[in-house]
Amino acid sequence: AQKITQTQPGMFVQEKEAVTLDCTYDTSDPSYGLFWYKQPSSGEMIFLIYQGSYDQQNATEGRYSLNFQKARKSANLVISASQLGDSAMYFCAMSNRTASKLTFGTGTRLQVTL
Amino acid sequence: KAGVTQTPRYLIKTRGQQVTLSCSPISGHRSVSWYQQTPGQGLQFLFEYFSETQRNKGNFPGRFSGRQFSNSRSEMNVSTLELGDSALYLCASRLQASGTYEQYFGPGTRLTVT
Repeated sequence: AQKITQTQPGMFVQEKEAVTLDCTYDTSDPSYGLFWYKQPSSGEMIFLIYQGSYDQQNATEGRYSLNFQKARKSANLVISASQLGDSAMYFCAMSNRTASKLTFGTGTRLQVTL
Repeated sequence: KAGVTQTPRYLIKTRGQQVTLSCSPISGHRSVSWYQQTPGQGLQFLFEYFSETQRNKGNFPGRFSGRQFSNSRSEMNVSTLELGDSALYLCASRLQASGTYEQYFGPGTRLTVT
């Protein structure tokens, strides 16, 4: 079985600062994927970034980067230069080998302040 | 390109009734997955359909069922509604091609059971 753990229920960050959201995972599958999604108050899940278990380099997408440490089973999300619009719930998720099912963590609520 | 659409967006039903939710994936996407999101249980995988076949199923009772049509549109049905079925139901679509893993979510259907 796969498991995702997000230990930070809530985080505050000042505008223009960088923030790291923690995510650890557990799986016995040799092949898996790791995802981060953003969920604003409207409810829609917005895909941010993906990292494959065999990818050698950390994934980056604009202001988002995924700090993948396979030996430690961690996949932290780094948001650089935070913006007020980044305030939302952030979910870490992992997929099974066929990528057909996502297992989600409990989420971290990020609040960006002036 | 249009995103994933879900109808209806909001629904209020009474215990014991049944409900059908609809999801239209992104054009060209052939895989559709359904998730239930509640404050207590978080995000949980319901099932995935690909080419009109259910490929994967989560740990939900048989009251939850789904289907996919030849145009990849999917419906989810919940029979004999219970208060605990109140949730945000999210649909996600995926291209299902080699090297693509991202699932894109719709805005969700918020179901309230009274």
